[in-house]
Amino acid sequence: GNSVTQMEGPVTLSEEAFLTINCTYTATGYPSLFWYVQYPGEGLQLLLKATKADDKGSNKGFEATYRKETTSFHLEKGSVQVSDSAVYFCALSDRGNEKLTFGTGTRLTIIP
Amino acid sequence: DGGITQSPKYLFRKEGQNVTLSCEQNLNHDAMYWYRQDPGQGLRLIYYSQIVNDFQKGDIAEGYSVSREKKESFPLTVTSAQKNPTAFYLCASTIRGNDYGYTFGSGTRLTVV
Repeated sequence: GNSVTQMEGPVTLSEEAFLTINCTYTATGYPSLFWYVQYPGEGLQLLLKATKADDKGSNKGFEATYRKETTSFHLEKGSVQVSDSAVYFCALSDRGNEKLTFGTGTRLTIIP
Repeated sequence: DGGITQSPKYLFRKEGQNVTLSCEQNLNHDAMYWYRQDPGQGLRLIYYSQIVNDFQKGDIAEGYSVSREKKESFPLTVTSAQKNPTAFYLCASTIRGNDYGYTFGSGTRLTVV
């Protein structure tokens, strides 16, 4: 079956630091890949996505590249802000039934 | 504005009682999903529905039931058979047939007292 493995948290960084959150996946076909963000007490919001190999998703300064050869979709941001503090989820979807499989989430805290 | 609404935001239930969580969307999305979120465990799929009057069990369906009588609505009932119901419940929806991604509601936190 499909699975997503995320970097263990929590992650604490200083403001303006470089961020990487690792995500690797196992899938039987050619999934689409997603990063979602969850702020305290809220639902998840789609941050970015990539639907095929070598695609780069980007939004709000965050980026992730679909790497088929390493089955990875690592999330990066060059300079984090306090407002980026949240829980980040990597996910993949089966083509055809749209079911999402999520990683366990990585809690990110940015300190001023 | 289109969106997906979950109600109530907080819900308290006595042991042995059934309780129903509401999920309504006005996005004209075909598919709807219920997830349960527990600390440190990510999201686990309870039930999903891809069309009206049809739904499938997810990974942790035991102790839950759903209905999909209207495209806009996908209520989740937590029955007394669910042994550990205290959790954060998230509803989501999407368009079928592409990689649109999910739109999530803001969640319902259920506490058994």
